[in-house]
Amino acid sequence: GQSLEQPSEVTAVEGAIVQINCTYQTSGFYGLSWYQQHDGGAPTFLSYNALDGLEETGRFSSFLSRSDSYGYLLLQELQMKDSASYFCAVRDQSQKVTFGTGTKLQVIP
Amino acid sequence: DGGITQSPKYLFRKEGQNVTLSCEQNLNHDAMYWYRQDPGQGLRLIYYSQIVNDFQKGDIAEGYSVSREKKESFPLTVTSAQKNPTAFYLCASTGQGNTEAFFGQGTRLTVV
Repeated sequence: GQSLEQPSEVTAVEGAIVQINCTYQTSGFYGLSWYQQHDGGAPTFLSYNALDGLEETGRFSSFLSRSDSYGYLLLQELQMKDSASYFCAVRDQSQKVTFGTGTKLQVIP
Repeated sequence: DGGITQSPKYLFRKEGQNVTLSCEQNLNHDAMYWYRQDPGQGLRLIYYSQIVNDFQKGDIAEGYSVSREKKESFPLTVTSAQKNPTAFYLCASTGQGNTEAFFGQGTRLTVV
């Protein structure tokens, strides 16, 4: 089966940089995605990595190391509106998408 | 506009009754998914379907059933066998070779 681990909570200061780590175990790995979810809302897609390395999308970047079964999401220039839960998700070759337990990010002034 | 529609947004049912949650997409996506989310928790996969007339159990399929008779539709039935059905249910879809999963706005089911 698939399993993912993320820190449950992270607190960071507005304007700072924060990194959210994700380690995973899966067979038939296809890719690692990141999603943001505000309280009461639906998850929205942030980033995706299929190959090793860094993907940058504006203030958000995501990194993957397939050999280490590890990835992270990097958020720069933190804003108050970035306070939300962040989920990593693995996709396998059968298109099964499994989510981690989520990291609640609190941005403080 | 293309997207995923879940209805209703809020649903109340009496214990022991089956209830069906609707999920419709007009994105022409092949794969569709149902997740359950409990307060402060992650998303747990109930069922997923790669193609019409085919679906697979996820990690918590017991007490749930699905059908995929049309590409656009993937309804979820919460049966009376599901012991703790009160939760937030999210439907999603992905296209072939598409890395992004699109989510509906969710259905919040309360069983009393």
